[in-house]
Amino acid sequence: KNQVEQSPQSLIILEGKNCTLQCNYTVSPFSNLRWYKQDTGRGPVSLTIMTFSENTKSNGRYTATLDADTKQSSLHITASQLSDSASYICVVRSSGGSYIPTFGRGTSLIVHP
Amino acid sequence: NAGVMQNPRHLVRRRGQEARLRCSPMKGHSHVYWYRQLPEEGLKFMVYLQKENIIDESGMPKERFSAEFPKEGPSILRIQQVVRGDSAAYFCASSPLLAGGRDEQFFGPGTRLTVL
Repeated sequence: KNQVEQSPQSLIILEGKNCTLQCNYTVSPFSNLRWYKQDTGRGPVSLTIMTFSENTKSNGRYTATLDADTKQSSLHITASQLSDSASYICVVRSSGGSYIPTFGRGTSLIVHP
Repeated sequence: NAGVMQNPRHLVRRRGQEARLRCSPMKGHSHVYWYRQLPEEGLKFMVYLQKENIIDESGMPKERFSAEFPKEGPSILRIQQVVRGDSAAYFCASSPLLAGGRDEQFFGPGTRLTVL
């Protein structure tokens, strides 16, 4: 069964600090992995997409990593800002014919001033 | 190019009434997905549609729920005889034709359904 597990479930940090969110998946065969940011009361917005051959990808202060061997991904946020407070969702898509991606439950990040 | 549009943004219904949620995909997108999100929960897939076709409805309850994506007009998610457990945020996402699996799903702002 395809599954995506995220940790921690929630995280509170001070503004300016860095943090790392984790995503483990069992989706097979693997096609790609996306990290989404979901602000409260809004729909998710894609931050990065990683394919099998990509180890690291950055989008501003967001850096995603992928280890396809261990089936793990991380999202590192540098110099956090108040606007980073949101839920971060890891989504994995299989290349096995299903058009339906598998969603993690998300990590809720709160950045305090 | 407007994003995915959903309406209404908030919907209040009494038990037993019908709820009708609308989704207009991004221009040029022919694939629509519906998801449900309960408070403190992740997004749960409900149904995947293309124009005039239901491709995968494996996540949608067999009773009371239906979805359509007509040739003209928005996609509709219909919930008949709503119950309190249907209270949730319902998100629609659209994507263009598949391109090697890298197609991104663009999400709408969601419809928050409250059943009294």
